[in-house]
Amino acid sequence: EDKVVQSPLSLVVHEGDTVTLNCSYEVTNFRSLLWYKQEKKAPTFLFMLTSSGIEKKSGRLSSILDKKELFSILNITATQTGDSAIYLCVAFTSGTYKYIFGTGTRLKVLA
Amino acid sequence: DVKVTQSSRYLVKRTGEKVFLECVQDMDHENMFWYRQDPGLGLRLIYFSYDVKMKEKGDIPEGYSVSREKKERFSLILESASTNQTSMYLCASSLGGGITDTQYFGPGTRLTVL
Repeated sequence: EDKVVQSPLSLVVHEGDTVTLNCSYEVTNFRSLLWYKQEKKAPTFLFMLTSSGIEKKSGRLSSILDKKELFSILNITATQTGDSAIYLCVAFTSGTYKYIFGTGTRLKVLA
Repeated sequence: DVKVTQSSRYLVKRTGEKVFLECVQDMDHENMFWYRQDPGLGLRLIYFSYDVKMKEKGDIPEGYSVSREKKERFSLILESASTNQTSMYLCASSLGGGITDTQYFGPGTRLTVL
């Protein structure tokens, strides 16, 4: 059965801290891994990763994929209260064109 | 910017009522999806559609049906709402055609069934 597991389930940090969110996956016909940020509304797209070892960056956020060990990490440096959200990791499979969602990591950043 | 809109942000219905949730996307995307999101369970796929009039069951289709008569519009129908269908419903779309896998989500509809 295809699955995506995220850890930790929740995290509380202070502003300025650096956090690392983990995502491991076991899916057949893996094609890409996506990260989303969800505040109190729709998930918004952060990154799509298809190749191992190539870091994607956007401001204070970065992410990398390891296709050999079947995991990805999302790093957030110098966290701000606006980073408080649920972060979703999603594996996309080419065989059935399905998106397999993890249950998310709930991040709370305290001022 | 891709825009995915949903007909209601909040909806309260009674058990046994027929409920329509509508989703519209404005970027000519091939694929559209309906999910429900519940605490501790994450997003679960109800149905998806890869073309007009085409639909595929997701992981939890029981109690739901869908309609896609036009490319930009994907409707989720609860034929006879039940309390266990109280949830957040999210619609999403993606371009398709193997170009990009990114999904774009609507703002969600929080449905309460009394």
